[in-house]
Amino acid sequence: AQSVTQLGSHVSVSEGALVLLRCNYSSSVPPYLFWYVQYPNQGLQLLLKYTSAATLVKGINDFEAEFKKSETSFHLTKPSAHMSDAAEYFCAVSGGSNYKLTFGKGTLLTVNP
Amino acid sequence: EAGVTQSPTHLIKTRGQQATLRCSPISGHTSVYWYQQALGLGLQFLLWYDEGEERNRGNFPPRFSGRQFPNYSSELNVNALELEDSALYLCASSSPTGGEIGETQYFGPGTRLLVL
Repeated sequence: AQSVTQLGSHVSVSEGALVLLRCNYSSSVPPYLFWYVQYPNQGLQLLLKYTSAATLVKGINDFEAEFKKSETSFHLTKPSAHMSDAAEYFCAVSGGSNYKLTFGKGTLLTVNP
Repeated sequence: EAGVTQSPTHLIKTRGQQATLRCSPISGHTSVYWYQQALGLGLQFLLWYDEGEERNRGNFPPRFSGRQFPNYSSELNVNALELEDSALYLCASSSPTGGEIGETQYFGPGTRLLVL
């Protein structure tokens, strides 16, 4: 079985500040890890994914995430927050014979001017 | 290139009725996934179709069912609607046939179902 825990259901940062959204996973097989973003009343948009090619993954809009096997973590960062980054962010895992995505409960990011 | 499309965008039904939701995958994608996003329950996997066959289903009752057509579009049917079925239903597609585990799933905008 696979699971994802996102620490912090709500994160608030100032515009220009570092964004750090935490994700820890559990998987008995090598995981594939994803970060998606959901803007209000929209579907999910892929930010980035880890598929074992490199532990530091760069995504769209200057987001990046680092896979740390020893910590079973895949935290999402962005050096400087923009107002347009305000949205809900979901971490997800798949792997083994499991094609489905298992999602964390999401983290709502608020960016203050 | 067109993304995943879903219809209708909103659907209002009453308890006991049936709802039909539709999804068209990205051209060339053969796998379609359905997820339910209900308040307080997060995103939960419902069904996976590939090449016209149901490959996997999540922990949902049998009144949630669907099918995939020869053109790879898909339909989700929810029978005997209950109030707690109110949610955003998201469809995703991936390629190639069968997909590689870890293949990216691309999501549509969703259908918001309200059961009164």
